Amino acid sequence: GAGVSQTPSNKVTEKGKYVELRCDPISGHTALYWYRQSLGQGPEFLIYFQGTGAADDSGLPNDRFFAVRPEGSVSTLKIQRTERGDSAVYLCASSSDPSSYNEQFFGPGTRLTVL
Amino acid sequence: AQSVAQPEDQVNVAEGNPLTVKCTYSVSGNPYLFWYVQYPNRGLQFLLKYITGDNLVKGSYGFEAEFNKSQTSFHLKKPSALVSDSALYFCAVREPGGSNYKLTFGKGTLLTVNP
Repeated sequence: GAGVSQTPSNKVTEKGKYVELRCDPISGHTALYWYRQSLGQGPEFLIYFQGTGAADDSGLPNDRFFAVRPEGSVSTLKIQRTERGDSAVYLCASSSDPSSYNEQFFGPGTRLTVL
Repeated sequence: AQSVAQPEDQVNVAEGNPLTVKCTYSVSGNPYLFWYVQYPNRGLQFLLKYITGDNLVKGSYGFEAEFNKSQTSFHLKKPSALVSDSALYFCAVREPGGSNYKLTFGKGTLLTVNP
């Protein structure tokens, strides 16, 4: 079946601009996660959704970052007033019933470059 | 706070030889441990996990990992390496219980298998 998909695969923007990154999880997966991977580092947790609600947003670096999942499926990560330090690969993952210790399935990521 | 250390940035092995990629962790209580592999321009792929039970866990593509509670380690192993195993490997930990489902990743280890 289809895996996690993310669009766009690459996004180049200028400092100060607004960007939206989209994640389409595996059908039926109730849990959705966003991570950020900087060059030479492992993924770092940003936010976790269970259904439509953000159950844990402790990883969002500041209030320029916001994410939504209005219908419990597709999620959008929104970054306002982008800065060069936001450049990274943004990864989305989904899982079924995380309380059952099921693994997270990752999408290919969106590479964001802020000039 | 939970953390993961992958002490080797790079591991080089000859094809056909056994390989080990090291991982140590720090977490409160009994951990949930995962290994993921990342190929160039592709998302993270799940290899295996330890939740409870037998300390030796078998996963995809002939990989296995041994959970050692006294050494707080979860090293990834394969008896006979293939050139196609060359990739970036990440160890991750999740705290047990509660609603903290996020994964904390190590920095990754680049495995190169030489023909």
